[in-house]
Amino acid sequence: AQSVTQLDSQVPVFEEAPVELRCNYSSSVSVYLFWYVQYPNQGLQLLLKYLSGSTLVESINGFEAEFNKSQTSFHLRKPSVHISDTAEYFCAVSPREAAGNKLTFGGGTRVLVKP
Amino acid sequence: GAGVSQSPSNKVTEKGKDVELRCDPISGHTALYWYRQSLGQGLEFLIYFQGNSAPDKSGLPSDRFSAERTGGSVSTLTIQRTQQEDSAVYLCASSLRSRLAGGFHEQYFGPGTRLTVT
Repeated sequence: AQSVTQLDSQVPVFEEAPVELRCNYSSSVSVYLFWYVQYPNQGLQLLLKYLSGSTLVESINGFEAEFNKSQTSFHLRKPSVHISDTAEYFCAVSPREAAGNKLTFGGGTRVLVKP
Repeated sequence: GAGVSQSPSNKVTEKGKDVELRCDPISGHTALYWYRQSLGQGLEFLIYFQGNSAPDKSGLPSDRFSAERTGGSVSTLTIQRTQQEDSAVYLCASSLRSRLAGGFHEQYFGPGTRLTVT
């Protein structure tokens, strides 16, 4: 079984400031890692994913996340946030070798970007 | 192209009634997933279908919950004898397939159905 912990339920941040959202996971098997974003009144969208290779992955809108196997973490960062980054962010894992891609999610982190 | 659609977008029902929630996956996607997003439990997996294989029902919280997928496309999630704790947003997702040896297929989520049990 897998579990995902997002340490911060809410993160207020000023526009153009950096932000870090923390995610730790627990799993007895190797997993894929994901960050999903849910903008207000919209559905879940995949923000970025770690499947293999470089432990640092980036999204097209400036977010990056680093997989740290020894610390079982996959923290999400952005050096300078915009108002439009206001959303809820979910960290998720999926077992690599299981028959299905079912996702186990963390509790979510609400990011509120203030002008 | 069209994304995953769900209907209704909102459903208010009385405790004890049965409800049906519908999901239309992206055309050509063979894998379909149901998740639930609630205040108390967060986002949790319910059930998934892959082609003609037996569905993985491991996330269904009780035997009041069931789902079917007809013709490998549309899926219906049924909740019998609804309880207040069933109030949540029910999300459907689809992917090209669930797993191809060493591969990964992104899940695309629908907008959800907000269920309120009064």
